[in-house]
Amino acid sequence: SQTIHQWPATLVQPVGSPLSLECTVEGTSNPNLYWYRQAAGRGLQLLFYSVGIGQISSEVPQNLSASRPQDRQFILSSKKLLLSDSGFYLCAWSPVYEQYFGPGTRLTVT
Amino acid sequence: QQQVKQSPQSLIVQKGGIPIINCAYENTAFDYFPWYQQFPGKGPALLIAIRPDVSEKKEGRFTISFNKSAKQFSLHIMDSQPGDSATYFCAASIRYGGATNKLIFGTGTLLAVQP
Repeated sequence: SQTIHQWPATLVQPVGSPLSLECTVEGTSNPNLYWYRQAAGRGLQLLFYSVGIGQISSEVPQNLSASRPQDRQFILSSKKLLLSDSGFYLCAWSPVYEQYFGPGTRLTVT
Repeated sequence: QQQVKQSPQSLIVQKGGIPIINCAYENTAFDYFPWYQQFPGKGPALLIAIRPDVSEKKEGRFTISFNKSAKQFSLHIMDSQPGDSATYFCAASIRYGGATNKLIFGTGTLLAVQP
């Protein structure tokens, strides 16, 4: 069966510091991968998606970037965090239509 | 055009009641409609989904009703239990960029089932 992992689970970072969040999927190959952000008490905002290694599409222009160095690995990065980057970051994978979410990373920028 | 409107924002029912959450869309290109359940601090979990050529789908105590002409769909939870207390999101899927699909999410409904 397929499993999706995210780490770290929680992160507290100062403004201006770099960020690296990692997502890996097990039990499948060549999945579509997605990064979402969920602000407190709100819906999900799609940030990036990837259909293959090195193929990244951005949905929202901001100071975040994504990379897919391996088939089942998706990384979300920032060079300098802003206060507004705080939120719950979710990675998801999709075989075709349905999307399956990971456990999420709670990021607090102080 | 790509919005999914969800209501109500919050809902309180007694144990055994049948909460109903409604969603509406405009874009007829949407071709897949999932519902997600999210507990605090957890990622959303796929609960049930339907395609527009089906008017109803049941999985356990969860039922989706779909009205293609009205562009509306709803989630019913039969015999609701306190453990069903969570935030529920509807979504609509559209083919995007030729090789993937994009989910447009509703704003969520916070459900509380009182014992």
